Formats: sequence, C-alpha cells, structure tokens
Amino acid sequence: DAGVTQSPTHLIKTRGQQVTLRCSPKSGHDTVSWYQQALGQGPQFIFQYYEEEERQRGNFPDRFSGHQFPNYSSELNVNALLLGDSALYLCASSQGTFSNQPQHFGDGTRLSIL
Amino acid sequence: AQTVTQSQPEMSVQEAETVTLSCTYDTSESDYYLFWYKQPPSRQMILVIRQEAYKQQNATENRFSVNFQKAAKSFSLKISDSQLGDAAMYFCACTGNQFYFGTGTSLTVIP
Repeated sequence: DAGVTQSPTHLIKTRGQQVTLRCSPKSGHDTVSWYQQALGQGPQFIFQYYEEEERQRGNFPDRFSGHQFPNYSSELNVNALLLGDSALYLCASSQGTFSNQPQHFGDGTRLSIL
Repeated sequence: AQTVTQSQPEMSVQEAETVTLSCTYDTSESDYYLFWYKQPPSRQMILVIRQEAYKQQNATENRFSVNFQKAAKSFSLKISDSQLGDAAMYFCACTGNQFYFGTGTSLTVIP
C-alpha cells in the first residue's frame, strides 16, 4: 500500500522563477493538504484540496496556487520565487476534509532558492 | 486564530527512561482534535497519537500516552521506556478548519 509520494525530492531555483511540486496521496485518500516547513519551524498550512477545489487556505500570498486532478493527485505552484520561499514543502493526504482525520505525510520536497 | 506552543526546544532522555514533552494550545473551537507527530531526520512526519477533545480519557498508544488537561489547554506527551529510535523532532498539532502545528521539540535519546 503506497503512502504519500512527492516529487522531486530536492529542487534548486533562482529568485523570480516559478516552480511546480507534485504529490500523490495515499491509496484511498481524497484530500490533499500542502504545508511549508521552514528550517527549525513547524509546518505552516498553505491550502487544502478536495474534489478538485481549494477548500481551505492559510496565510499565504496568491503566488502560491494549486491544483487537484481527478485521480486526487495534486500540484503546488509557486510563482515569482523569493529567497524566503526556501523550505521543505510537505504534502499530506487524508480521507475527507474533516479535522478529526489524521494527516498522512510524504517525505517532502526541499526547495532551495538562490 | 489558533496557536500551539511547545516551550521545550530540546529535550534529552536516557534509554529506557521516561520523558514528557509539553504542549499548550489556544482555540476558540468547541470541537477539535489534538495530535502528536514525530519527524525523524528522514523528514517524513509520522502520527504518534491522537486525542479527541470531547473525550476525557487520555489516549494511549503502546509506550506513548498523553496527559490532556482541557481546562488548562494542555496536551503533553509521555514516552515510556525510551528507545534510540524515538530520537526525532516531535510536533504537537491542534485542528480547527486546518492543522496548526507547534514549533517542535527535538528529542535526543542517550544510550
């Protein structure tokens, strides 16, 4: 039973560029959430996708956008990259959007901005 | 807004001993859930234990148990018989319409 998979593992970009990160949820899960984890910090909620729509959003600018596909996989897009966007980006999946559902996390994508 | 506070950036414990990690939270939600996650150097966040706020009984999962004090908004994690594999960052989380995580506690297990 495959867990949450994320790609790529590591990515290096320069300021102003755009990046796309990908996530496949755990089998049987239909909801995907994205988090940004800066070094030495806890994960910060970016947004959540369910039924191909953004359902909840954290305090992140519009430069951060996403998409969910019919097979429940998801993409996180970040435009006009800033140095401060350097972080570990975690994808988590769950069954439904209810807050009592534990999140199952992937290994993350380490994004470095030069 | 909801907040989760972990006041212990680092903790250490001797192998086979017991350690308690602290967490306090603030929420205006009447129905919420609390979680402890473990993040080893491999980066993947792993669910350790979950507590429903409406349940008075403290959750237990093998060597892991919580002390949930709802009135004090406190949710501490106790690890008994600590093992080398328990070394990791531990994050406390509270749910509302999203997951709110604390800043983490780095646990070192001393052989």
